[in-house]
Amino acid sequence: NAGVTQTPKFQVLKTGQSMTLQCAQDMNHNSMYWYRQDPGMGLRLIYYSASEGTTDKGEVPNGYNVSRLNKREFSLRLESAAPSQTSVYFCASADWGRATQETQYFGPGTRLLVL
Amino acid sequence: SQQGEEDPQALSIQEGENATMNCSYKTSINNLQWYRQNSGRGLVHLILIRSNEREKHSGRLRVTLDTSKKSSSLLITASRAADTASYFCATDEAGTASKLTFGTGTRLQVTL
Repeated sequence: NAGVTQTPKFQVLKTGQSMTLQCAQDMNHNSMYWYRQDPGMGLRLIYYSASEGTTDKGEVPNGYNVSRLNKREFSLRLESAAPSQTSVYFCASADWGRATQETQYFGPGTRLLVL
Repeated sequence: SQQGEEDPQALSIQEGENATMNCSYKTSINNLQWYRQNSGRGLVHLILIRSNEREKHSGRLRVTLDTSKKSSSLLITASRAADTASYFCATDEAGTASKLTFGTGTRLQVTL
């Protein structure tokens, strides 16, 4: 099992460019999440998908869109990148709703630099 | 806004010593979890404590939860250099579903 995988690992964009961050999990989890991590800020939730077919905004959704493509895949899109979106992005998944299964499993992260 | 705030922000100890870090949160919760993040890596789950539990152990880890004070502590006993990492608490609010809110983290440095 690969767990949670993310692509790309590193990306440099110019202001105004668009890109999609990909995330996939092979643990048959129902819930998936996108976070951003900035120095000294911990992790902040951008969007999440509690189950296939649903998505909801998190704490910092502005400037992002998501797609829950199927149960395995959850993508994050930046339509017009801004320097303020320079960050490390983490995808996570969880089998929410089952007793003792609320822990989240994280991918290795995507480091995004917007110039 | 961040639900949890860890204290201290940074901690430096020598190998073999115990490390204690604290987390305070704002709202009623179902569970509180602790995660570890090695530099440049994703977070890894360490331990979960439910709101009706007061203490939990896992190997060298001891977690306490005081819901009246809305606080938790993580104790790592007999620390090792490999414990060097950032540690985050995360809570899921009572009445909400499916998501965690993470604190700002404690950076632990264990020196030989």
